[in-house]
Amino acid sequence: DTEVTQTPKHLVMGMTNKKSLKCEQHMGHRAMYWYKQKAKKPPELMFVYSYEKLSINESVPSRFSPECPNSSLLNLHLHALQPEDSALYLCASSQLGLAGGRTGELFFGEGSRLTVL
Amino acid sequence: GQQLNQSPQSMFIQEGEDVSMNCTSSSIFNTWLWYKQEPGEGPVLLIALYKAGELTSNGRLTAQFGITRKDSFLNISASIPSDVGIYFCAGRSGTASKLTFGTGTRLQVTL
Repeated sequence: DTEVTQTPKHLVMGMTNKKSLKCEQHMGHRAMYWYKQKAKKPPELMFVYSYEKLSINESVPSRFSPECPNSSLLNLHLHALQPEDSALYLCASSQLGLAGGRTGELFFGEGSRLTVL
Repeated sequence: GQQLNQSPQSMFIQEGEDVSMNCTSSSIFNTWLWYKQEPGEGPVLLIALYKAGELTSNGRLTAQFGITRKDSFLNISASIPSDVGIYFCAGRSGTASKLTFGTGTRLQVTL
């Protein structure tokens, strides 16, 4: 069982809707990630939060808006999406500040499957 | 940017056979991770490697961190039907949080 919980598991939305994806972890990890995955492709990094601050934005369109309310929670706010944004959205978390400054392994949630009509 | 090429792209094997797959990079990594993903699920971590030349096992799975630090290998011995899925390698350079994923190897196991 994954210790990274994502809700909802499935989401269908229209192009004018506003919705949010949510992610929660209680492993004490201080880095949290959003990845986008299309069918039969590897996950693609979207955002990284380190110590609750946005540290990486992989040039993601502004219709995707991440938020990290605290060290356990990560949200992805969705607005005015396009059909090509339909994908599996994966949240992950990892430890930071290990020996030698190393970042720990990423642990993934089960994903939220988004369909944009 | 960094690219990870994974091969083979897909494999169709019989139950009981051994499986080998590899991942190569155009640049040096200091961490290699191997994940398995089943349909409708997120990737699950199988093995983590941190040192060049390191060989690590997890049950029937064995992975190696290539000595050049530009490649990694995953072997599965005596495959069973539940090994079916997509196997991804992932690499990281330095202490950065960013993880680069390989293109994936789709494994099918027949009885």
